[in-house]
Amino acid sequence: DVKVTQSSRYLVKRTGEKVFLECVQDMDHENMFWYRQDPGLGLRLIYFSYDVKMKEKGDIPEGYSVSREKKERFSLILESASTNQTSMYLCASSPAQVNTEAFFGQGTRLTVV
Amino acid sequence: GDSVTQMEGPVTLSEEAFLTINCTYTATGYPSLFWYVQYPGEGLQLLLKATKADDKGSNKGFEATYRKETTSFHLEKGSVQVSDSAVYFCALSPLNTDKLIFGTGTRLQVFP
Repeated sequence: DVKVTQSSRYLVKRTGEKVFLECVQDMDHENMFWYRQDPGLGLRLIYFSYDVKMKEKGDIPEGYSVSREKKERFSLILESASTNQTSMYLCASSPAQVNTEAFFGQGTRLTVV
Repeated sequence: GDSVTQMEGPVTLSEEAFLTINCTYTATGYPSLFWYVQYPGEGLQLLLKATKADDKGSNKGFEATYRKETTSFHLEKGSVQVSDSAVYFCALSPLNTDKLIFGTGTRLQVFP
């Protein structure tokens, strides 16, 4: 089975902290994604990576950066956490082909206080 | 740009009732269409998909038909169960891309 694993289910961080959310996939997928899920807004794409060291901004990249040094790992970085970044963060991966599904991790619920 | 619109929830049904969750889309050409489901406390998982006009996706008793003329991909199930309670997301993958664009999600609550 495809597995996408996010390092934490729940995180509580303070305003101004640098926060790292880690995601690992075990299916050798080229594509990896970070989404943010908020009630009434659905899933919004933060960043997308289609290869190691390659990244592309999504719809809401402000306040975030990403790192992909190895194919299986995609990290989301909050440079200076703010309370409006309190949310559910979902990582996903997919192979590099059109019309294919993405596989999701279980999500990290981040609270910034 | 490309977008997905789905009906607001929550949708509240009794067990064995018929379910419809509406989804319409705006896109160039012929995108691929998906329904994902999110059970409480979990990530999203693919429920079904359709990649061209008039295709019908089906899984676990759920069905959706790709209607190009109405730009719709409505989710249906003939008889829901309590275990179907979840949030359902309609999504599209624009032509020749690997990205997914999601709707806002519809919460389904099924009571015994």
